[in-house]
Amino acid sequence: NAGVTQTPKFRVLKTGQSMTLLCAQDMNHEYMYWYRQDPGMGLRLIHYSVGEGTTAKGEVPDGYNVSRLKKQNFLLGLESAAPSQTSVYFCASREYLAGGTDTQYFGPGTRLTVL
Amino acid sequence: DAKTTQPTSMDCAEGRAANLPCNHSTISGNEYVYWYRQIHSQGPQYIIHGLKNNETNEMASLIITEDRKSSTLILPHATLRDTAVYYCIAMYMDSSYKLIFGSGTRLLVRP
Repeated sequence: NAGVTQTPKFRVLKTGQSMTLLCAQDMNHEYMYWYRQDPGMGLRLIHYSVGEGTTAKGEVPDGYNVSRLKKQNFLLGLESAAPSQTSVYFCASREYLAGGTDTQYFGPGTRLTVL
Repeated sequence: DAKTTQPTSMDCAEGRAANLPCNHSTISGNEYVYWYRQIHSQGPQYIIHGLKNNETNEMASLIITEDRKSSTLILPHATLRDTAVYYCIAMYMDSSYKLIFGSGTRLLVRP
């Protein structure tokens, strides 16, 4: 049971380049989330998914696209990277059990620099 | 989602209780109070959550005032590994279950 994993851990892009960040979870969770965290700030929600084949916008969706073709994977795409997208990106999946458990499990993060 | 207000930073001595306050004066009746923490450079970690009643688990205790306008997270015996940023979040249990993070409280546990 690896929990939530993110690929890659680090990446440097030039302005205008594209890339895809992969998030994978092996806990059979329905809900998955993508956040970004800028230095000294809290996490901000980019997009989320409430199940396979569904996606929805969060607080800061502009410049990003997502896909959830398989339940265990949630992909975050940057079509044309900008320096303002330099950040640490965290993925999370949510476990909910009736009667008490409601927890988001976070991955280790992807550190992206756009030059 | 209700806005939460937390002190920017706090410190406590190792082995003592750490009491982290959170104000959520505009919280509605069906919003839960969640606490997460983020140790440097890592992804956030769930600590505890509650609605009305006080809650306790192996990590911490959550005390919610009767009017639900504020709460306190208690780490009963803080260790150096508890040094982290602690986030208090008010969240609706709706179809999205979105966590909205604020700036949090930076807790420093002193040796």
